[in-house]
Amino acid sequence: DTEVTQTPKHLVMGMTNKKSLKCEQHMGHRAMYWYKQKAKKPPELMFVYSYEKLSINESVPSRFSPECPNSSLLNLHLHALQPEDSALYLCASSPPGPNSYEQYFGPGTRLTVT
Amino acid sequence: QKEVEQDPGPLSVPEGAIVSLNCTYSNSAFQYFMWYRQYSRKGPELLMYTYSSGNKEDGRFTAQVDKSSKYISLFIRDSQPSDSATYLCAMSTGFQKLVFGTGTRLLVSP
Repeated sequence: DTEVTQTPKHLVMGMTNKKSLKCEQHMGHRAMYWYKQKAKKPPELMFVYSYEKLSINESVPSRFSPECPNSSLLNLHLHALQPEDSALYLCASSPPGPNSYEQYFGPGTRLTVT
Repeated sequence: QKEVEQDPGPLSVPEGAIVSLNCTYSNSAFQYFMWYRQYSRKGPELLMYTYSSGNKEDGRFTAQVDKSSKYISLFIRDSQPSDSATYLCAMSTGFQKLVFGTGTRLLVSP
């Protein structure tokens, strides 16, 4: 099973709202990722958690706040977003060890900021 | 110059054709090479992955890596309308960070 699940599928939020995106995997993967993808562009890496510790932060604005409560769950907390933050937010995970480059993506959350 | 170059297409072919998708790269430290398929408004799906140079075959798909030329390819045999999607190449030095190409949009007409 190579399934990464994400909720919600769609989210519309105002610029003053606080919301959270959730991601879950049960493949025993120990690295989890958040990506942002704009239309007709490749995914852009935002954050990487490795063994539940934040290992990469690609200089993402502080209005995006990641959290990894355990090895299966990854959250992305959103606050005071801008309309240009509207995008498809993708979660991915990869196994530990030598195959850590194999990243498996979830279906994404389509976020619209109004 | 981008680290990974990929023709955005669209590439239009008739059903049954052999499709060739390609990426070039500039970073000789890349060791791992992946191909993802992404349908419209969905997440990318890992299709093939290879380590270093060589070929790998999986059903109708063949991935090739030529590290001396810094060139990778994905071949799709007997293409089907269901293969219509955007194909993204991705590469890694092995430290979790993937570098993606821009993606090639493929259209297979019945």
